[in-house]
Amino acid sequence: SYELTQPLSVSVALGQTATITCGGNNIGIKNVHWYQQKPGQAPVLVIYRDTKRPSGIPERFSGSNSGNTATLTISRAQAGDEADYYCQVWDSSTVVFGGGTKVTVL
Amino acid sequence: EVQLVESGGGLVQPGGSLRLSCVASGFTFTTYWMGWVRQVPGKGLVWVSRINSDGSSTNYADSVRGRFTISRDNAKNTLYLQMNSLRAEDTAIFYCAREMSAVVSFDYWGQGTQVTVSS
Repeated sequence: SYELTQPLSVSVALGQTATITCGGNNIGIKNVHWYQQKPGQAPVLVIYRDTKRPSGIPERFSGSNSGNTATLTISRAQAGDEADYYCQVWDSSTVVFGGGTKVTVL
Repeated sequence: EVQLVESGGGLVQPGGSLRLSCVASGFTFTTYWMGWVRQVPGKGLVWVSRINSDGSSTNYADSVRGRFTISRDNAKNTLYLQMNSLRAEDTAIFYCAREMSAVVSFDYWGQGTQVTVSS
């Protein structure tokens, strides 16, 4: 079965750039989606189809996908960006989530 | 405004059954795939199942196939998850979610319902 690998945690200074990776075999040929989840809340879609932002998501959130790694980038990080972030793909009739990355804003 | 409201969670003994419901509003329910995702508090998201717009096509995670059944009643704008032969490892928050059109990602989520399997 297809696996997605994310770092357990990422720290970023307030106002700086956070980069969250999602590794998978030849993930560059798949559509990758990203979710933000704050404690006690349901997930929120922040990036779909590698690079697209849903309505209401700040431009500070961007995505890329190539080769074996997809990346979510949070620019000018704010305290409110502290959350868990999950990548997700569709593979062999199965929805696959990465293990999640906890982002801490220092 | 899109809303998804789950219900039906609770405490059940191992081997027991439970049916979750998710009432949708604010969009044309009959035109969207829908799905269930679960999460043990403090752990990651785990996909459970999905169903197409008219209920004729479904997919399941290996861990629930043969025990869980997803269905929908488009006249009632309601999604269901029938869970049988429940195990302790099924204990989780279960989220109902809407899939985006033409791409398998989830653009709206409910607030979840807690399922606890314990004797």
